Amino acid sequence: DSGVTQTPKHLITATGQRVTLRCSPRSGDLSVYWYQQSLDQGLQFLIQYYNGEERAKGNILERFSAQQFPDLHSELNLSSLELGDSALYFCASSVEGDLYNEQFFGPGTRLTVL
Amino acid sequence: GESVGLHLPTLSVQEGDNSIINCAYSNSASDYFIWYKQESGKGPQFIIDIRSNMDKRQGQRVTVLLNKTVKHLSLQIAATQPGDSAVYFCAEIRTYNFNKFYFGSGTKLNVKP
Repeated sequence: DSGVTQTPKHLITATGQRVTLRCSPRSGDLSVYWYQQSLDQGLQFLIQYYNGEERAKGNILERFSAQQFPDLHSELNLSSLELGDSALYFCASSVEGDLYNEQFFGPGTRLTVL
Repeated sequence: GESVGLHLPTLSVQEGDNSIINCAYSNSASDYFIWYKQESGKGPQFIIDIRSNMDKRQGQRVTVLLNKTVKHLSLQIAATQPGDSAVYFCAEIRTYNFNKFYFGSGTKLNVKP
């Protein structure tokens, strides 16, 4: 158990809908990362937050957004969902915002868009 | 290198043998590399990392080798155990440019008892 929690574990929704995925980092970790893992694209970095501020942006679509709250938990919002958004979404956390810090991954949220 | 997908190559080894998993990365400007292990149904788990100013780094039962000339990274696992069965993938990072964080597609390691 990495200490990172993600909810929900599974989510099934329809195209065009909007969902919110939630992540609680390990106690004391200030940085949160979001990743998407799909069968055809592998693991892709989406976005990083550090102490409430966006720190780095990867391949995140404009339909997706994230935020980190004062209590350091983070939410990833996915809107206008498409079939291709079906994937595992992982959150990871690290102590600081620098990429040399080891990241601890949560168990993931499996999103299925029908 | 950058994620492409994805029919994962499989490496089958006998318990107790050494395993070598390879990764070709895409950009000579990448300066930091990480190997991850992902067991079925779980999130990736950090195994070992190496910075570009090194060519070898050792951990417990694992060694990472970096060959910058040919942009190649390898993970060696000594005395492979059934618990090592998982998908292993590398990540290349340009730490001076946080947008550049790419994962390899992975290799499935199957350890036969």
